[in-house]
Amino acid sequence: QVQLKESGPGLVQPSQTLSLTCTVSGLSLTSNSVSWIRQPPGKGLEWMGVIWSNGGTDYNSAIKSRLSISRDTSKSQVFLKMNSLQTEDTAMYFCARSWGYGGFLFDYWGQGVMVTVSS
Amino acid sequence: DVQMTQSPSNLAASPGESVSINCKASKSISKYLAWYQQKPGKANKLLIYSGSTLQSGTPSRFSGSGSGTDFTLTIRNLEPEDFGLYYCQQHNEYPPTFGAGTKLELK
Repeated sequence: QVQLKESGPGLVQPSQTLSLTCTVSGLSLTSNSVSWIRQPPGKGLEWMGVIWSNGGTDYNSAIKSRLSISRDTSKSQVFLKMNSLQTEDTAMYFCARSWGYGGFLFDYWGQGVMVTVSS
Repeated sequence: DVQMTQSPSNLAASPGESVSINCKASKSISKYLAWYQQKPGKANKLLIYSGSTLQSGTPSRFSGSGSGTDFTLTIRNLEPEDFGLYYCQQHNEYPPTFGAGTKLELK
């Protein structure tokens, strides 16, 4: 059974760095790719970036300068780090398996973790 | 980036009815359009991809159509569990982009 579960702080201060973890079970990270996707309250979904099964990464150019995605395959964990947080980064953050041609489909999702950026 | 525009934003219907949700891309995405369902407390669910291919486990009352820039999700004979949010997403090119969503509510 495939499961993804996000974890991290619920509250981050402006200008600080956000660190999130996605713990994956039922999938090997060496043969599967994982994306981070976020959703501000009441708004649509925004793809943030992906770590491919070979360990390479791609990021949304809109946030590329602030974002880093990495992984620990031995722990089946994927990490997101985003710096210089602002209030507009307040959102639900999801991790999801990237699947299909190009890896742009998302067939398994975590339930998300809500992050609020506030002082 | 490809902009995805969904309509309507809100839709009210009763169980047993049929509804359609539209999605328009800012440029041609061939057939590469996916639909997701979002419900509170549950993981997002991939329903349809490549315009009309049902993901494993998606009930046959769901169907997708369209190509190029215009796509439609149709749900026939609505069941109580179908009410929620629906998002379209283009999977033709980087970066993948989503519509703003359609809220399907019980009338």
